[in-house]
Amino acid sequence: TQLLEQSPQFLSIQEGENLTVYCNSSSVFSSLQWYRQEPGEGPVLLVTVVTGGEVKKLKRLTFQFGDARKDSSLHITAAQPGDTGLYLCAGAGGGSYIPTFGRGTSLIVHP
Amino acid sequence: NAGVTQTPKFQVLKTGQSMTLQCAQDMNHEYMSWYRQDPGMGLRLIHYSVGAGITDQGEVPNGYNVSRSTTEDFPLRLLSAAPSQTSVYFCASSDSFRSEQYFGPGTRLTVT
Repeated sequence: TQLLEQSPQFLSIQEGENLTVYCNSSSVFSSLQWYRQEPGEGPVLLVTVVTGGEVKKLKRLTFQFGDARKDSSLHITAAQPGDTGLYLCAGAGGGSYIPTFGRGTSLIVHP
Repeated sequence: NAGVTQTPKFQVLKTGQSMTLQCAQDMNHEYMSWYRQDPGMGLRLIHYSVGAGITDQGEVPNGYNVSRSTTEDFPLRLLSAAPSQTSVYFCASSDSFRSEQYFGPGTRLTVT
């Protein structure tokens, strides 16, 4: 089973601040997904990246896939309380098509 | 479309009891999975299915059984519950593992 390391594990910031969350592995991913999970609910997909070096934007969220397809980052600009939640990365690769989830980054944005 | 539905939402069991967690999807997805989520552990795959009649083990299968007799349903059975199975359980479906996984609302299980 490939290991996905997410950092930081916890993040508590004020509204308006910027932040970056990282997802790293020693294996090459064929694809990588970012999900957001709110308390009491299941995760919801934010984005899928498949090409090395790919950058995708979703309003104030910017997702980047590393050139070697072993890492990814999620950058949030001017965070808002509505961004509060658990951010999970999931990747498939290393010879397996079954995605593995990272442990998640718990984000709290204070008004 | 209801998407992915799970029942029950909450359950308390005594050690040794058995139960079935229900999962159904109405999107005609071939792929379905069961995950457990524990604090600080992310989502860990228990069992998955790539189509009716086909199931396989994930990362943490011990103590759980599954079957897939129809495309729509993928129940998870706990034969003899243990306190270590206290967790939140999520069912998910997708039309492939590279595409979006749609998650149900989860079942919060406590084993005493």
